[in-house]
Amino acid sequence: DAGVIQSPRHEVTEMGQEVTLRCKPISGHDYLFWYRQTMMRGLELLIYFNNNVPIDDSGMPEDRFSAKMPNASFSTLKIQPSEPRDSAVYFCASSFSGQLLGEQYFGPGTRLTVT
Amino acid sequence: GENVEQHPSTLSVQEGDSAVIKCTYSDSASNYFPWYKQELGKGPQLIIDIRSNVGEKKDQRIAVTLNKTAKHFSLHITETQPEDSAVYFCAASLGTYKYIFGTGTRLKVLA
Repeated sequence: DAGVIQSPRHEVTEMGQEVTLRCKPISGHDYLFWYRQTMMRGLELLIYFNNNVPIDDSGMPEDRFSAKMPNASFSTLKIQPSEPRDSAVYFCASSFSGQLLGEQYFGPGTRLTVT
Repeated sequence: GENVEQHPSTLSVQEGDSAVIKCTYSDSASNYFPWYKQELGKGPQLIIDIRSNVGEKKDQRIAVTLNKTAKHFSLHITETQPEDSAVYFCAASLGTYKYIFGTGTRLKVLA
């Protein structure tokens, strides 16, 4: 399996622009997670989906952030408008409910820089 | 809110020595504790995990111990090698599919 795939790997944008991050989970996995990693706050869960339905978005920092999962093989995290404090590495992870322990498998991340 | 404390934040050991990283969690309902290794420029990779009904688990040079009463769990790496150098994160489950992560430990293995 190719693992979790994220694109782009790096994104540099100007403040106020819209940013869309993309994720393809591992085939067959029915849970998908979006995390943000910064030096100050570490790894934070933003939102997660089960069977394409958002279950918990309590970690989404502001209304500027939105996430969708139109089908089992694709999810997006959108920031509109972007701000410099959104600069971070964003990770997508997926999991399979058939695994007893719910192990999560992470993608390589998207490094976002907002200038 | 629920949290996971992780210590130390940095750890340097000589090659061949052992390394120990400790975590404390607050949610008594947590029942799954994974450890992740993150190398520079990569996503976290699961290296070992433990369930709450087990006190210790070992996989070659890596072991994890859990003390549910004290809400402590630890990662032990023996015979460290330069390729063990990375950032290590502990996590505790909140429910079945949600984790809260520790702040990470940067391990340096000196050759």
